[in-house]
Amino acid sequence: DTGVSQNPRHKITKRGQNVTFRCDPISEHNRLYWYRQTLGQGPEFLTYFQNEAQLEKSRLLSDRFSAERPKGSFSTLEIQRTEQGDSAMYLCASSLVGGGHNEQFFGPGTRLTVL
Amino acid sequence: AQRVTQPEKLLSVFKGAPVELKCNYSYSGSPELFWYVQYSRQRLQLLLRHISRESIKGFTADLNKGETSFHLKKPFAQEEDSAMYYCALSPYNFNKFYFGSGTKLNVKP
Repeated sequence: DTGVSQNPRHKITKRGQNVTFRCDPISEHNRLYWYRQTLGQGPEFLTYFQNEAQLEKSRLLSDRFSAERPKGSFSTLEIQRTEQGDSAMYLCASSLVGGGHNEQFFGPGTRLTVL
Repeated sequence: AQRVTQPEKLLSVFKGAPVELKCNYSYSGSPELFWYVQYSRQRLQLLLRHISRESIKGFTADLNKGETSFHLKKPFAQEEDSAMYYCALSPYNFNKFYFGSGTKLNVKP
């Protein structure tokens, strides 16, 4: 499968614990996006990277959230001191910007449950 | 503030009937508009974008800047069209995307 992959697919954690998710984009894609999706809602933009640079962050991304894309390839999203309100599906998408195209290809998501 | 509104949570139609999924937006500028689809147990995927003016799987969407709408239409619905549909908006530089809350389309036999 050469699409976007995300690990783990499911994560159950206790309130107050830290969690880290990984996203592996399509190899030649230079942009990588993180979204959060709660039940009954569409994806909410969290942040995006162009290569290794984090160029945009939503106000939704509190100081407990941090994302990295150290070598411009895979990315990690860490949530510190998790809260029950962090329970959601976390989606990653990648795209290749240029030539007027920017189709995002989504991963399967990581479902986080905070007990 | 930027916003994408999909007023219908659920739309049920019979096979062969016309379908229109509504999308209204608010944005101070000239956005790019998209429709994404998520079939059961599959990933979210792009269906169409307004700048390409394509018809994908029989679906079309016209951007109406006066009414700030981007409704998705298909003249004859098929059972395989049953899915979750999301309207999305992006600034011209694609630095962020705003999604609506989605409409579940159910096409009955």
